[in-house]
Amino acid sequence: GAVVSQHPSRVICKSGTSVKIECRSLDFQATTMFWYRQFPKQSLMLMATSNEGSKATYEQGVEKDKFLINHASLTLSTLTVTSAHPEDSSFYICSARVSGKIYEQYFGPGTRLTVT
Amino acid sequence: QKEVEQDPGPLSVPEGAIVSLNCTYSNSAFQYFMWYRQYSRKGPELLMYTYSSGNKEDGRFTAQVDKSSKYISLFIRDSQPSDSATYLCAMSGLEAQKLVFGQGTRLTINP
Repeated sequence: GAVVSQHPSRVICKSGTSVKIECRSLDFQATTMFWYRQFPKQSLMLMATSNEGSKATYEQGVEKDKFLINHASLTLSTLTVTSAHPEDSSFYICSARVSGKIYEQYFGPGTRLTVT
Repeated sequence: QKEVEQDPGPLSVPEGAIVSLNCTYSNSAFQYFMWYRQYSRKGPELLMYTYSSGNKEDGRFTAQVDKSSKYISLFIRDSQPSDSATYLCAMSGLEAQKLVFGQGTRLTINP
């Protein structure tokens, strides 16, 4: 299957700072990438959909000024958590969809964010 | 009512058993049906996808879709301890941007 990488895999930051998470599709082009948040023992919660070269579409209740998403190329999307607070601590997972194939969406390994 | 319903379990079976995992859905526009496997603290892994109704087999895994009943299943034959994970169903319409996920079923295969 196709490979999606995420960096970093784990990050600890202080309250009030910003953290950037990178998501890369390594062996395919992804016009569309997705960012999810997952709480322990719960399913994936979609935060936003990003299309290459355009603004991200955020799900209801997700603050776009707090979770900045950039999808500058067909292989890279970034999520920046600005002014992080302890309640932002979570497991963040990105996914990338093979261009033109709704059914082929591959996930990254996730990033564990801890805000102290 | 959620668009996709999946029993969260947990489900525990002995090694070698046949496992049946299921999801029901309410949106008749769904055409693509996927199954993902997620190990603890890892991202989900795409196992299989099916378009419209029918069966699809891949090794020990079989996916079934019954659109008339709005019911999908994943069968695991000869289950092994390494199959212990959370299994998520996901589905999408033809033109939809995003997938709709079930809650996930936690499965444990006991040696």
